[in-house]
Amino acid sequence: DGGITQSPKYLFRKEGQNVTLSCEQNLNHDAMYWYRQDPGQGLRLIYYSQIVNDFQKGDIAEGYSVSREKKESFPLTVTSAQKNPTAFYLCASSIDWASTYEQYFGPGTRLTVT
Amino acid sequence: AQSVTQLDSHVSVSEGTPVLLRCNYSSSYSPSLFWYVQHPNKGLQLLLKYTSAATLVKGINGFEAEFKKSETSFHLTKPSAHMSDAAEYFCVVSEGFQKLVFGTGTRLLVSP
Repeated sequence: DGGITQSPKYLFRKEGQNVTLSCEQNLNHDAMYWYRQDPGQGLRLIYYSQIVNDFQKGDIAEGYSVSREKKESFPLTVTSAQKNPTAFYLCASSIDWASTYEQYFGPGTRLTVT
Repeated sequence: AQSVTQLDSHVSVSEGTPVLLRCNYSSSYSPSLFWYVQHPNKGLQLLLKYTSAATLVKGINGFEAEFKKSETSFHLTKPSAHMSDAAEYFCVVSEGFQKLVFGTGTRLLVSP
């Protein structure tokens, strides 16, 4: 089955630690995205990648980092510089960068930092 | 900049009655518009999309939406609600080249 997988589903970390969230897709999509979702808010774009070895900051990139070394993988690192890291994180992909193509979402990772 | 306003944070209906979730947008371009659904602790699933073809768009699970340029609206409807429709719904506008702008969501509650 084609799709997007995110692991783990739940993640707990101590304040001050970096943590990496996994996102893998087997849809052969060029573009991938990371969003953050907080209660009562829509999704906010953290980073996006149009193609392998390229990525751009979204609206709330501070305290986050990404890499795109393979087409299938787009891991997100939440660094200790992120002031409010506790949130639900969603990864998505689309065929390419054209605006008419829908994005496909993974099941999400809920990160709790204490 | 483009924006999306979902006019209701919560909508409550009884099973078998019609559903109306309201969405207004602002856009400087010819927009692409989407409705996504999210069940608790899950990812988002595409219900339907408008990309400048027919203004009445049919989606999955009996949902449809009508693009009204004069009213800058893209309301989501369903003739008869089912208990499984209870979820959060997001109206989304494309800000060119796949930069999506999300509304704040409407939680649909369906009572027996």
